[in-house]
Amino acid sequence: GQNIDQPTEMTATEGAIVQINCTYQTSGFNGLFWYQQHAGEAPTFLSYNVLDGLEEKGRFSSFLSRSKGYSYLLLKELQMKDSASYLCAVSDSNYQLIWGAGTKLIIKP
Amino acid sequence: SAVISQKPSRDICQRGTSLTIQCQVDSQVTMMFWYRQQPGQSLTLIATANQGSEATYESGFVIDKFPISRPNLTFSTLTVSNMSPEDSSIYLCSLAQGDYNEQFFGPGTRLTVL
Repeated sequence: GQNIDQPTEMTATEGAIVQINCTYQTSGFNGLFWYQQHAGEAPTFLSYNVLDGLEEKGRFSSFLSRSKGYSYLLLKELQMKDSASYLCAVSDSNYQLIWGAGTKLIIKP
Repeated sequence: SAVISQKPSRDICQRGTSLTIQCQVDSQVTMMFWYRQQPGQSLTLIATANQGSEATYESGFVIDKFPISRPNLTFSTLTVSNMSPEDSSIYLCSLAQGDYNEQFFGPGTRLTVL
């Protein structure tokens, strides 16, 4: 079956760096997405990786290793507004999105 | 990116009744998606709605329970029929657009069934 694993919850301190991991097993691979979802709101797109390596976008970076079925989202200079759930989603061979359960990130002052 | 609106934003309904959720987009899109997100859980795709054809339902979801309409390229509705408390959830419509065909979501409809 298809499976995506993320930690359920993580805690970090304002100003610090946090890495949220995602491992996946899917039938085919056509890219991996990261989304941010604040409580009570809809998910918003953060990043997309289809080739191995690191994609940097401001304070957020996303890494992919296709051979290991592994990705991480790196958040630098954490701000209180970064408190949210972070969802990992993989596009499979049919271009259907398989969603992880999400990681709730709690930022403490 | 497209602007997506949903109505109603929330509702409280009695079991056995039905609710129709509307999704409006400010530009024409071929495919729209309907998701369910239960409290503390991730997104589950209910169906894909293409204009001019029957919606394609995912395993565990059937047309009798979740009929979908897609009358044009900017609008879709999802009906939750014969509701039970297990249908209490957030329902989201989305579309795929952009450089990576990433999905953009409407604000969601929070449904509570008593």
